[in-house]
Amino acid sequence: NAGVTQTPKFRVLKTGQSMTLLCAQDMNHEYMYWYRQDPGMGLRLIHYSVGEGTTAKGEVPDGYNVSRLKKQNFLLGLESAAPSQTSVYFCASSYTDRVNTGELFFGEGSRLTVL
Amino acid sequence: LAKTTQPISMDSYEGQEVNITCSHNNIATNDYITWYQQFPSQGPRFIIQGYKTKVTNEVASLFIPADRKSSTLSLPRVSLSDTAVYYCLVPSYSGGGADGLTFGKGTHLIIQP
Repeated sequence: NAGVTQTPKFRVLKTGQSMTLLCAQDMNHEYMYWYRQDPGMGLRLIHYSVGEGTTAKGEVPDGYNVSRLKKQNFLLGLESAAPSQTSVYFCASSYTDRVNTGELFFGEGSRLTVL
Repeated sequence: LAKTTQPISMDSYEGQEVNITCSHNNIATNDYITWYQQFPSQGPRFIIQGYKTKVTNEVASLFIPADRKSSTLSLPRVSLSDTAVYYCLVPSYSGGGADGLTFGKGTHLIIQP
């Protein structure tokens, strides 16, 4: 059982380049999330999705786009990468609305460096 | 927005009981309190969740007083492997509904031999 899988795990970009991070979960979860974590900081929510075909902005959405075309996948895109987007990105998923009883399952993270 | 406040760091020794307290003054009536653990270079891992009074599982206990404005994570007999960052979370709200679990900076727990 793979759980939550993030691809790629490491990537180096030049300023202005674009890329997509893929998150895949095999637990049939409705809810999926993208967080970023900077050194010494907690996780900040970028975007989230409450089901296939839906997306919503989180705390720090600027500079990112997301898509949830399939229930099991949640894609995070950077159209024009900036050094400020150097961070570790975590994807998470949950079965129920985590507001009340849902437990978040996290991937191992994707380390992105923008030069 | 329901925000949480917890100590930035704590030290303890192997075999001791560790209690980490989190304040969440603006917690909403239906909100649960959730705690996560994060090791370096890994994603956070769910530890325990509760609504009121006391919850216990094989890893930890969670104490929540009647006013629910704070909660205490209790780790019994810690070992070196419990060195990690611990996050206390409550839902965050924007507009009409909850839109994510807000992770603060967490508490960096260091266990010494």
